[in-house]
Amino acid sequence: QKEVEQDPGPLSVPEGAIVSLNCTYSNSAFQYFMWYRQYSRKGPELLMYTYSSGNKEDGRFTAQVDKSSKYISLFIRDSQPSDSATYLCAMSPLLTSGTYKYIFGTGTRLKVLA
Amino acid sequence: DGGITQSPKYLFRKEGQNVTLSCEQNLNHDAMYWYRQDPGQGLRLIYYSQIVNDFQKGDIAEGYSVSREKKESFPLTVTSAQKNPTAFYLCASRTTSGHNEQFFGPGTRLTVL
Repeated sequence: QKEVEQDPGPLSVPEGAIVSLNCTYSNSAFQYFMWYRQYSRKGPELLMYTYSSGNKEDGRFTAQVDKSSKYISLFIRDSQPSDSATYLCAMSPLLTSGTYKYIFGTGTRLKVLA
Repeated sequence: DGGITQSPKYLFRKEGQNVTLSCEQNLNHDAMYWYRQDPGQGLRLIYYSQIVNDFQKGDIAEGYSVSREKKESFPLTVTSAQKNPTAFYLCASRTTSGHNEQFFGPGTRLTVL
């Protein structure tokens, strides 16, 4: 079993829809959770960063962490064609050496249709 | 502009050759990372460095080498011992004080001919 599981998609939605992207994980030591957006042949761009459980909102984006279920989500409201990209989740424990080693999901490809 | 730069954007290599990928950051970040991205797989960690003159192997370090002589620079050498080097290589950095967000460069696409 992979440490982080993410549905590869593709996920196709009409413009204006609410999008829900999800990752599950198996390592209860993960404390830091991130979502990245990656356009084709570009580097990932950090969208959201959360620590521990709870919700965080930034504009049209909401990140949700449920540590009891080992499940994280990214919601995109009023989705736009420019949101079409691959979305990567990433997470990290705090290692005893003070380092951070990030584990990534395989990414979900999202297509927002105009 | 602050950020992470990688060069070149595209790189072609013949089998048996070593190549070096450049990564430079002006974010004053202490930690730097190299990842490899292949279709259908998540990013896999090659090497990481917390401070100058120190670095650790990641999950797939075989066939790769790095150096960290300056805080701003973390070059990656893909050696001829790497059996399947064709991939998209991503450099990242992170501050070690306070926040733990990791930021990425634009990537280098390496193709072995």
